[in-house]
Amino acid sequence: AQSVTQLDSHVSVSEGTPVLLRCNYSSSYSPSLFWYVQHPNKGLQLLLKYTSAATLVKGINGFEAEFKKSETSFHLTKPSAHMSDAAEYFCVVSDRGEYGNKLVFGAGTILRVKS
Amino acid sequence: NAGVTQTPKFRILKIGQSMTLQCTQDMNHNYMYWYRQDPGMGLKLIYYSVGAGITDKGEVPNGYNVSRSTTEDFPLRLELAAPSQTSVYFCASSYGIAGTPDTQYFGPGTRLTVL
Repeated sequence: AQSVTQLDSHVSVSEGTPVLLRCNYSSSYSPSLFWYVQHPNKGLQLLLKYTSAATLVKGINGFEAEFKKSETSFHLTKPSAHMSDAAEYFCVVSDRGEYGNKLVFGAGTILRVKS
Repeated sequence: NAGVTQTPKFRILKIGQSMTLQCTQDMNHNYMYWYRQDPGMGLKLIYYSVGAGITDKGEVPNGYNVSRSTTEDFPLRLELAAPSQTSVYFCASSYGIAGTPDTQYFGPGTRLTVL
C-alpha cells in the first residue's frame, strides 16, 4: 500500500520569507502525488499534482514541488510567503484500488504566516 | 456550476440516532468519494463509487452505508450514531479515467457531533 509522511505538523514563517513543507512517500510503483490546501472551515483545493511527467511541478498561487525519486520526497515550496497562505496542507499519494485510484492523505502540516 | 455541495453543514446527533449526509455534484463526474477528517489524522476514505450502482469500501467503512442510484448523488448513511463518528465529513468527486489519478473536487464539509 502507498503512504505519505509529512515531516512537520506545524511550520511557522514570516511574511515574505520562503516556505518549505516536507513530504516523503512510500510506493511500490511509480507514484502519482498531490498537494492539497485547506483554508479554515473550507473544503480542500488542489495546489498541484505530479504524474510522472516533469519532476518540477508548478501549481497555483506560486507554489511548486519537486519529485525526487532517490530521496522518495515531494516537498512543497514557495519563494515568498503571503498572509493568505496560512492554511493546512496535505501531501497525498494515489493508491490503486479495485475499481480505480484512491487517494491516501498525509496527516497534514499547518502553515502559520507571521506579519 | 455549483461543483460539489453537501448538506447539512452542521449536525448534532444523540447516540443511536440515524442520519443521512447528502452529497451532490453537477460536473457529470463518474467517481464520488466520502472521507472523514479527524484532527491530526488527515482524511480517511470511508466509501467510494465509480458510477451509478457501483460502490466499494474504503479504509474506514464500519458504521456507514452508501448508495449511488444516480450520477449526481452519493448519500452517506449513519445507522446507529456513536461518539467515535464525531468528525468532519467531506464528499468529493472526480471525472474518473481508469488507471489515471485525476483531480478530486471537494465539497465544503459537514461537521457532525455525536453526544
